[in-house]
Amino acid sequence: AQSVTQLDSHVSVSEGTPVLLRCNYSSSYSPSLFWYVQHPNKGLQLLLKYTSAATLVKGINGFEAEFKKSETSFHLTKPSAHMSDAAEYFCVVSGGNYQLIWGAGTKLIIKP
Amino acid sequence: DGGITQSPKYLFRKEGQNVTLSCEQNLNHDAMYWYRQDPGQGLRLIYYSQIVNDFQKGDIAEGYSVSREKKESFPLTVTSAQKNPTAFYLCASSILRMNTEAFFGQGTRLTVV
Repeated sequence: AQSVTQLDSHVSVSEGTPVLLRCNYSSSYSPSLFWYVQHPNKGLQLLLKYTSAATLVKGINGFEAEFKKSETSFHLTKPSAHMSDAAEYFCVVSGGNYQLIWGAGTKLIIKP
Repeated sequence: DGGITQSPKYLFRKEGQNVTLSCEQNLNHDAMYWYRQDPGQGLRLIYYSQIVNDFQKGDIAEGYSVSREKKESFPLTVTSAQKNPTAFYLCASSILRMNTEAFFGQGTRLTVV
């Protein structure tokens, strides 16, 4: 069975400093992995996805994530945080049956 | 512009009432989904449909019903049997292929008053 764990419920960083949002997954086969972002009271927007091509995936708004099979991780990073990055971020793994398995989310707080 | 439209954005329901949330997509996607979002719990799947006139229960289908009479439309009814309906509801769609991403509407916030 597939599952995903986001290791931090909240992450707080200062504007201009790096962002790291951690995600570990469990899958019985080679999965696809996604990061979505949700701003308050809004729908979800796809940031990036990994589908067994390059292990370093670049997304929108300067975010990227690295698929590490040996560590079963798919952490999301950004070199320099911006105030507009404040949102909730979800790590998602493909369920193998046309469904997506969602992490509980990490709330990113940006301090001025 | 292609996308998914959910309406209304905010909905208030009295206890004991049924309410229907609308979801329409013009992306020509075969698959559509309804999720419920509560604080700190991520998204939980209520129902999904992969083809017109067919749908499947997700993890938390009790107290909800859906229909899929048209490819573009997948309305969700929150019935009086749903004991705790106050939540943010998200509709999504995708092409029918394994390991593909879903596209989301802007959500409907339902509050029981």
